[in-house]
Amino acid sequence: SAVISQKPSRDICQRGTSLTIQCQVDSQVTMMFWYRQQPGQSLTLIATANQGSEATYESGFVIDKFPISRPNLTFSTLTVSNMSPEDSSIYLCSVDPSDINYGYTFGSGTRLTVV
Amino acid sequence: GQQVMQIPQYQHVQEGEDFTTYCNSSTTLSNIQWYKQRPGGHPVFLIQLVKSGEVKKQKRLTFQFGEAKKNSSLHITATQTTDVGTYFCAGPNRGSTLGRLYFGRGTQLTVWP
Repeated sequence: SAVISQKPSRDICQRGTSLTIQCQVDSQVTMMFWYRQQPGQSLTLIATANQGSEATYESGFVIDKFPISRPNLTFSTLTVSNMSPEDSSIYLCSVDPSDINYGYTFGSGTRLTVV
Repeated sequence: GQQVMQIPQYQHVQEGEDFTTYCNSSTTLSNIQWYKQRPGGHPVFLIQLVKSGEVKKQKRLTFQFGEAKKNSSLHITATQTTDVGTYFCAGPNRGSTLGRLYFGRGTQLTVWP
């Protein structure tokens, strides 16, 4: 299965600023997914990123707030823009498996605190 | 829209007791997957079930997929402290085998030594 390197692992940011989270995959993958997870809660899908096309956002998430880049088949970034304390959460990237028997792989997550 | 429900939300057991979490989808699924997330960690794939009525075992863990392919369960026999974490079920979009996943809310398991 793929191995994902996600950076940063955590950050504390001032409100009104932006943070870019990176995910680097050790193999080429078709789809990358960005999730948000509040402590003790389930995973909420923010958007799906395919290489060479605009990301597809879920209801409640907009490109201006969470711009995503997918420049190639092994890399993606999620930016959390104009942050407020409500954006404090864990952000996770994930990739679909080349072989479904191995399941989806997740990055180690970015724990974001906005003060 | 498509939903995946999971109960219970929390389960506290004493070490050695059994544990079960149940998952129910609003639509028929092509497959259902189970993930475990340790405290402070990220979700890790446990298993995938594809066939109607399928049962799979991993040591003390038993996974079942319902006959209608809309529900599933995970049963842990004789829990250990290493089983602590949150267990999520997840299924793909209706009619798909891959693509985005719909996650249940998870069952957070606590094991007293």
